[in-house]
Amino acid sequence: GENVEQHPSTLSVQEGDSAVIKCTYSDSASNYFPWYKQELGKGPQLIIDIRSNVGEKKDQRIAVTLNKTAKHFSLHITETQPEDSAVYFCAASDGYGGSQGNLIFGKGTKLSVKP
Amino acid sequence: DTEVTQTPKHLVMGMTNKKSLKCEQHMGHRAMYWYKQKAKKPPELMFVYSYEKLSINESVPSRFSPECPNSSLLNLHLHALQPEDSALYLCASSQVLPGTGGPQYFGPGTRLTVT
Repeated sequence: GENVEQHPSTLSVQEGDSAVIKCTYSDSASNYFPWYKQELGKGPQLIIDIRSNVGEKKDQRIAVTLNKTAKHFSLHITETQPEDSAVYFCAASDGYGGSQGNLIFGKGTKLSVKP
Repeated sequence: DTEVTQTPKHLVMGMTNKKSLKCEQHMGHRAMYWYKQKAKKPPELMFVYSYEKLSINESVPSRFSPECPNSSLLNLHLHALQPEDSALYLCASSQVLPGTGGPQYFGPGTRLTVT
């Protein structure tokens, strides 16, 4: 089955700097890769996603890149702000071909943005 | 609107109690999920309903009993839980996209404490 590795587990940056979180996946059949942000005491919030037929996607200060050959994808946050502080999870759909693809999550990255 | 609601927000129960968690979505999604999340860990899939039928049960103990009364509602009935079952229980929903993964939208969760 699918396995998703996420690095780093913790990341501390100064406000205004960029942050990059990287994930690798094992199943070449995976075709959908979302990123979630989870603030303390809240449920995960979908912030951006990418499908396997696209190499890069941007939404304001966040972007996701996908390298299918290397089986890795990354989250890029530019001009970080204190409110970006949270735990970020990457995920991959296991793409087993059923009626829906279940998500396999990475272990999470705790991002701290220092003012 | 991508809102999934969950009640209650917090629940404390004894090991002999019976309680239920509730989840509701009005996005027309036909797949609904229960996840369990322990502190500093990613969500773990427990159950998946697709078109109101249980499609996946990830080897969850029988003290957890899911129910999907209609396409908008999902319940999780709890009975004879153990202290190690204390966790954040998350509900999510998504469209059913044959053969591919898609965005899952999470609720805020129910913080369960078993005493």
